[in-house]
Amino acid sequence: ENVLTQSPGTLSLSPGERATLSCRASQSVSSSSLAWYQQKPGQAPRLLIYGASNRATGIPDRFSGRGSGTDFTLTVSRLEPEDFAVYYCQQYGSSPLTFGGGTIIEIK
Amino acid sequence: QVQLMQSGAEVKKPGSPLKVSCKASGGTFGTFRNYAISWVRQAPGQGLEWMGGIIPMFGTTNYAQKFQGRVTINADESTSTVYIELSSLRSEDTAVYYCARAGGYHYLNSLDYWGQGTLVTVSS
Repeated sequence: ENVLTQSPGTLSLSPGERATLSCRASQSVSSSSLAWYQQKPGQAPRLLIYGASNRATGIPDRFSGRGSGTDFTLTVSRLEPEDFAVYYCQQYGSSPLTFGGGTIIEIK
Repeated sequence: QVQLMQSGAEVKKPGSPLKVSCKASGGTFGTFRNYAISWVRQAPGQGLEWMGGIIPMFGTTNYAQKFQGRVTINADESTSTVYIELSSLRSEDTAVYYCARAGGYHYLNSLDYWGQGTLVTVSS
C-alpha cells in the first residue's frame, strides 16, 4: 500500500501567518490523485483539495495545493481563527485508499 | 444538498457483530447509484483509516486487506442506504465510523460528502 507521511506533526502559528504542510508518499501517486482534508474536534473531515491542486466547492482561495509524484504540499496563505485544526492528506490513485497521519495547526 | 445520515451510537460486546447504516438524501434523482461510498474509521485520538468501498452502480466492493474476511459492505438502492457489517468485534474496533461519498462512480476518488459519524464502543 502507498504509505503517506505528513510533516510536521504540529505547526504552532499565529493568525495571519502562512502555513505549509507536507505530504510524502512511499510510491508515486498516479494522476496526482491526492486530496487534503480538514478536521475539527467532534466533526467529520471536510474535503479541501482534490487532484493535488483543485479546491473543493466553497473552499476559500487562501487554501492551495501543489505537487506531483511523491511530494505534495498544502499551503494556507493567511491563517484565520477557523483554520486551526487537523489536516490529513489522502491518496486515491491506488487501492487501498490511504491517509497520512495528520498535521495539527495550533494557535501559538 | 447531499446528506449522509448514519445510524446511532453502539455499545457492543467483544466477539459480537456490528452493522451501521448510511442513508443518502438530496442531490438529483438517480444520484445514489452514480457515486461510490467508502467507509472510514477513526480510533480515539488517532488518524483516518479506510476500510472499504462499494460502487452502487455495479454492486462491486473492495476492502482493505486488514479487514478482509471480517467486513461486508452492501447497498440498498431502493432506500439509498449503504451498510457496513463488521464481525468478531474486538476492543481495537472502538472508533468513530464514517461513511463518505466519492467524487465519482468509483471508490478510487476523493471523498466530498461525509456522514456525521457513528461512535462504536467495544467493551465487555
